[in-house]
Amino acid sequence: QKEVEQNSGPLSVPEGAIASLNCTYSDRGSQSFFWYRQYSGKSPELIMFIYSNGDKEDGRFTAQLNKASQYVSLLIRDSQPSDSATYLCAVKLPNDYKLSFGAGTTVTVRA
Amino acid sequence: DVKVTQSSRYLVKRTGEKVFLECVQDMDHENMFWYRQDPGLGLRLIYFSYDVKMKEKGDIPEGYSVSREKKERFSLILESASTNQTSMYLCASRKDGNSPLHFGNGTRLTVT
Repeated sequence: QKEVEQNSGPLSVPEGAIASLNCTYSDRGSQSFFWYRQYSGKSPELIMFIYSNGDKEDGRFTAQLNKASQYVSLLIRDSQPSDSATYLCAVKLPNDYKLSFGAGTTVTVRA
Repeated sequence: DVKVTQSSRYLVKRTGEKVFLECVQDMDHENMFWYRQDPGLGLRLIYFSYDVKMKEKGDIPEGYSVSREKKERFSLILESASTNQTSMYLCASRKDGNSPLHFGNGTRLTVT
């Protein structure tokens, strides 16, 4: 079982809609959770991080964490064509320096 | 804003050459990382450093070494470049264990 799993997509949503991305992780002791956006040919850019159960909102982005069910999700409200990118979920494993990254979900926002 | 600077955006090297990739961060971060990213394989950790002069192997250290003589600088060395090391190389840093990673712009290395 992979440590972090994401649906690879592509996820296609119309402009103005909500894009919902999901990420599950295998280690129940995981502590910190991050979402990165990566445009084609560019490096990952941090969008959000979340440490506690519940929702965390930042502008059009909301991260949701449910440790009991071992998933973290990212909602993008009012999706724009500029949101078209690959979104990477990353999880900090307990007692480990490194982050485990999912394979990424590719999102396409249709104008 | 955190700034992580990688010395080259694009690099072309010959097989067998020794290659140095440099990374500098300006936020006094403790931890620094080198990843490579390949289509279909995602991000893979090569090496990381949790403090000056300290280094730990990641998931794919073979064929690479690193150097961290100063806190702000973390270098990746390809001892003898091979074509299977053609990839996008990403440096990242973070303040401490639970902080987010901040990535540099990446170096696209081609080994011919």
